[in-house]
Amino acid sequence: GAVVSQHPSWVICKSGTSVKIECRSLDFQATTMFWYRQFPKQSLMLMATSNEGSKATYEQGVEKDKFLINHASLTLSTLTVTSAHPEDSSFYICSASFPTGANTEAFFGQGTRLTVV
Amino acid sequence: AQSVTQPDIHITVSEGASLELRCNYSYGATPYLFWYVQSPGQGLQLLLKYFSGDTLVQGIKGFEAEFKRSQSSFNLRKPSVHWSDAAEYFCAVGARAGGFKTIFGAGTRLFVKA
Repeated sequence: GAVVSQHPSWVICKSGTSVKIECRSLDFQATTMFWYRQFPKQSLMLMATSNEGSKATYEQGVEKDKFLINHASLTLSTLTVTSAHPEDSSFYICSASFPTGANTEAFFGQGTRLTVV
Repeated sequence: AQSVTQPDIHITVSEGASLELRCNYSYGATPYLFWYVQSPGQGLQLLLKYFSGDTLVQGIKGFEAEFKRSQSSFNLRKPSVHWSDAAEYFCAVGARAGGFKTIFGAGTRLFVKA
């Protein structure tokens, strides 16, 4: 099956620093990937759509200057949380899917737990 | 726009009892529907999915779900719950948006009592 890998699985950073999270599709190419955020005891909310070779599309209310997304290749998207603050502490999950096909699904990474202290 | 409603924030069932988790969706075309399970501090595990065809879908761990177009529902069921089923369950609808975008419901927390 299709595998999506996120790195790191968890990270602790100091307030004001930046953190980069990687999302890789290991055995397929993905022109589009998605980033989700999950606060404790809440659902997963779509943050942005990552498009290979072009700018990401952000959902309403998501600060594009704080959450920088780069999709430089067909197998890698990165999410950088800039100038992180404690309120950015959350569980971040990415997904990727096959670029074509009528019946498909999103394959999710294992998630990255970010704690900002 | 697509949306998913899970009306029950949490449900408690006794071990061995049957389970039904409710899910209603809003989508303009034939939906792609999913149920995921998430244990505390863990990622998502896909239980089952519906794309087309037979409206009763079998999944892993003894779960099944039934797609009812007339009711816009996709309820998850299990005939006999085990203590290890205690977790958060998310119903989701998927749509093509370049890639495959997934919209999640709010989730239902399942508690299992001995």
